[in-house]
Amino acid sequence: GAVVSQHPSRVICKSGTSVKIECRSLDFQATTMFWYRQFPKKSLMLMATSNEGSKATYEQGVEKDKFLINHASLTLSTLTVTSAHPEDSSFYICSARERWQGLIPYQETQYFGPGTRLLVL
Amino acid sequence: DQQVKQNSPSLSVQEGRISILNCDYTNSMFDYFLWYKKYPAEGPTFLISISSIKDKNEDGRFTVFLNKSAKHLSLHIVPSQPGDSAVYFCAAGQTGANNLFFGTGTRLTVIP
Repeated sequence: GAVVSQHPSRVICKSGTSVKIECRSLDFQATTMFWYRQFPKKSLMLMATSNEGSKATYEQGVEKDKFLINHASLTLSTLTVTSAHPEDSSFYICSARERWQGLIPYQETQYFGPGTRLLVL
Repeated sequence: DQQVKQNSPSLSVQEGRISILNCDYTNSMFDYFLWYKKYPAEGPTFLISISSIKDKNEDGRFTVFLNKSAKHLSLHIVPSQPGDSAVYFCAAGQTGANNLFFGTGTRLTVIP
């Protein structure tokens, strides 16, 4: 399957600082990447959809000024958590969509990065 | 509103036996479904998918069954191995739409 990397895997920062997380598709081009957040013992929560060359689409309740997304190329999307606070501590996971055609066109599989554990002190 | 539900938060199975993980959905517009496996502190790994035009898809030890009338799908793992112990998420999508909808996950423990 396709490979998606994320960096850093773990970050600890002080409250008020900004943290940037990178998501890269290593062996395919991803016009669309997704950013998820996972709370303990909860499902994946979609935060935003990142489209190459255009603005990200944020889910309801997600502050776009706090979670800045930049999809600068077909293989890289970044999520910047601005002015991080302890409540932003979480596990952030990106995914990239590989488009395949079965009998029905454009059914896509998302491949996930390994995740980034953010701890804000 | 949880459109994809996994009602069993956990499941324990003896090694060598069959593991059956269940998933229900409410949105009849979903036309493809996927199963992901997730270890702690890692991103989900894609396992297997199925289109709504099929009712079964098999890949090695993994088989996914889809019952559209019941809006239900299941993942069968046989034989189960200790390395299968993980959290399994089902996900549903609609052709042409952007995102997937995930269930809350089922933690599978395979006992040696």
